[in-house]
Amino acid sequence: KNEVEQSPQNLTAQEGEFITINCSYSVGISALHWLQQHPGGGIVSLFMLSSGKKKHGRLIATINIQEKHSSLHITASHPRDSAVYICAVRDTDKLIFGTGTRLQVFP
Amino acid sequence: DAGVTQSPTHLIKTRGQQVTLRCSPISGHKSVSWYQQVLGQGPQFIFQYYEKEERGRGNFPDRFSARQFPNYSSELNVNALLLGDSALYLCASSLSGTGLYGYTFGSGTRLTVV
Repeated sequence: KNEVEQSPQNLTAQEGEFITINCSYSVGISALHWLQQHPGGGIVSLFMLSSGKKKHGRLIATINIQEKHSSLHITASHPRDSAVYICAVRDTDKLIFGTGTRLQVFP
Repeated sequence: DAGVTQSPTHLIKTRGQQVTLRCSPISGHKSVSWYQQVLGQGPQFIFQYYEKEERGRGNFPDRFSARQFPNYSSELNVNALLLGDSALYLCASSLSGTGLYGYTFGSGTRLTVV
């Protein structure tokens, strides 16, 4: 079993839909990161959180430390949101990554 | 201010050859981490360096080595390349050795071993 599990693996949506991506982890962590990876490979950090909820534009990230679970929400999705979204947890000196959720948003 | 820069962006090597990948962190960042991302999977931790010292090493064979220079740039070396080493190699820089202030990633080096 992977230490960081994401669901779903693939997600297709129509423009304007509300999107939720889930992340569960089994290790003790000091922080959880949500990252976005575009086809070229570069990774952009979206959120780093260790408790509660953070919001940036149409993106919202929540974490429940007791349940070892985090969600990334995208409101009013847009085709430019199409990317792979990766959850990663920080374990002392390194990040442990999930396998990612591939999101495609169609006009 | 320049972000994390990695070079080269793409590379094709033959089995058995050696390769060196380079990473320049954001100015002021003293930690560099290397990750390997095989197609369809999440990145896997290879090394972390902080203040020129190795702080962590992932489950990779001794064919993989790295170092960090006085200017905090870093090199990842892979010897005796195997087909399975084909991957995107990502570098991440951070201010501290613990990643407390987050990470900034480079665009990666895509290595193809034929």
